[in-house]
Amino acid sequence: AQSVTQLDSQVPVFEEAPVELRCNYSSSVSVYLFWYVQYPNQGLQLLLKYLSGSTLVKGINGFEAEFNKSQTSFHLRKPSVHISDTAEYFCAVIRYSSASKIIFGSGTRLSIRP
Amino acid sequence: EAGVTQFPSHSVIEKGQTVTLRCDPISGHDNLYWYRRVMGKEIKFLLHFVKESKQDESGMPNNRFLAERTGGTYSTLKVQPAELEDSGVYFCASSRRPPQSDTEAFFGQGTRLTVV
Repeated sequence: AQSVTQLDSQVPVFEEAPVELRCNYSSSVSVYLFWYVQYPNQGLQLLLKYLSGSTLVKGINGFEAEFNKSQTSFHLRKPSVHISDTAEYFCAVIRYSSASKIIFGSGTRLSIRP
Repeated sequence: EAGVTQFPSHSVIEKGQTVTLRCDPISGHDNLYWYRRVMGKEIKFLLHFVKESKQDESGMPNNRFLAERTGGTYSTLKVQPAELEDSGVYFCASSRRPPQSDTEAFFGQGTRLTVV
């Protein structure tokens, strides 16, 4: 079975500070990896994804994530956050063989302090 | 292009009542998914339609939940009778193809269901 663990339920940071949101997954088969973001009163939006190739993936709004197979991690980073990054972030996986299910983590709420 | 639209945005019902949630996917998207998030936990898969057919309904919690997609366009998710543990946010998503590889699944804003 697959599972996704987001270790931090809430992460408060100051504006313009760097941030890392942690994600670890467990899977007996190969998976695709994703980060989704939910801004207040909006739906989920794809931030970035790792399918294959370079382990460093760049997404929208200056975010990037690095796939580490040995540590089964896919941490999300941004070197300098803005107030507008206040949102909830979800790490997710899809099995290579599955056409249906996105398996989500429990989410990390990022709050930015001025 | 309109995104995935869900109705209603909020619903408060009493235990034992029936509620129907609706999802209008992006035009031309054959794949439609329902997900649910309960009490701040992870978002969990409920089921997947390809056009009007249920491709995978392994995430449906019990037979009080009925999903339909007549004509392969919009979809409804009915909960009858509702129980307290059904409270949560129900998300709908759609995609042209399954959300692997180069295809993105687009999500609606969700319906927040509260059963009292």
